[in-house]
Amino acid sequence: EAGVAQSPRYKIIEKRQSVAFWCNPISGHATLYWYQQILGQGPKLLIQFQNNGVVDDSQLPKDRFSAERLKGVDSTLKIQPAKLEDSAVYLCASSRTGGRNNEQFFGPGTRLTVL
Amino acid sequence: QKEVEQNSGPLSVPEGAIASLNCTYSDRGSQSFFWYRQYSGKSPELIMSIYSNGDKEDGRFTAQLNKASQYVSLLIRDSQPSDSATYLCAVFGMDSNYQLIWGAGTKLIIKP
Repeated sequence: EAGVAQSPRYKIIEKRQSVAFWCNPISGHATLYWYQQILGQGPKLLIQFQNNGVVDDSQLPKDRFSAERLKGVDSTLKIQPAKLEDSAVYLCASSRTGGRNNEQFFGPGTRLTVL
Repeated sequence: QKEVEQNSGPLSVPEGAIASLNCTYSDRGSQSFFWYRQYSGKSPELIMSIYSNGDKEDGRFTAQLNKASQYVSLLIRDSQPSDSATYLCAVFGMDSNYQLIWGAGTKLIIKP
């Protein structure tokens, strides 16, 4: 079974530029998550999708971040414009359901550096 | 604010010994508990999940859950240098809006 795919793996941009990340979850997984992880911290949930609907985006900075999962499979996360504090690893995870047996599996992540 | 607390470490353990990692959580309604391993520069990898009080064993790993005391622990027997990583505890409960609440992780170093 193929794991969660993400691209790109690394990205370096100037502040105020835009950037997009792509994620393809494990086949058959209905729930997809985007996390932001800063060094030394646990992952912080940005947005959770159930199929193509948003379950939770309460911690997504909506003035600059957007995400979509139009066909309920792959997803993109966009930052526009980027700030220095957006430098982090962006992790995509998926799970079969969003319920209590909520085993999440992570992709390799995208390391973003904003200069 | 629901919280998950872990000692940041580093926890240094000799090779072959038992490594004991602990995690406490604030939400009494928490239902599911997970341990992830994260190597430096890599993404988190699920190693154990536990849902009921008691012990759950998988190879060299044992997860222990005590809901009354609100803690969950991970024991690693016969520790190997390859176990050196950061271990993240994550807790799921209805009161956290069906999200995983993550600890900041404990850095474990296994000394040969």
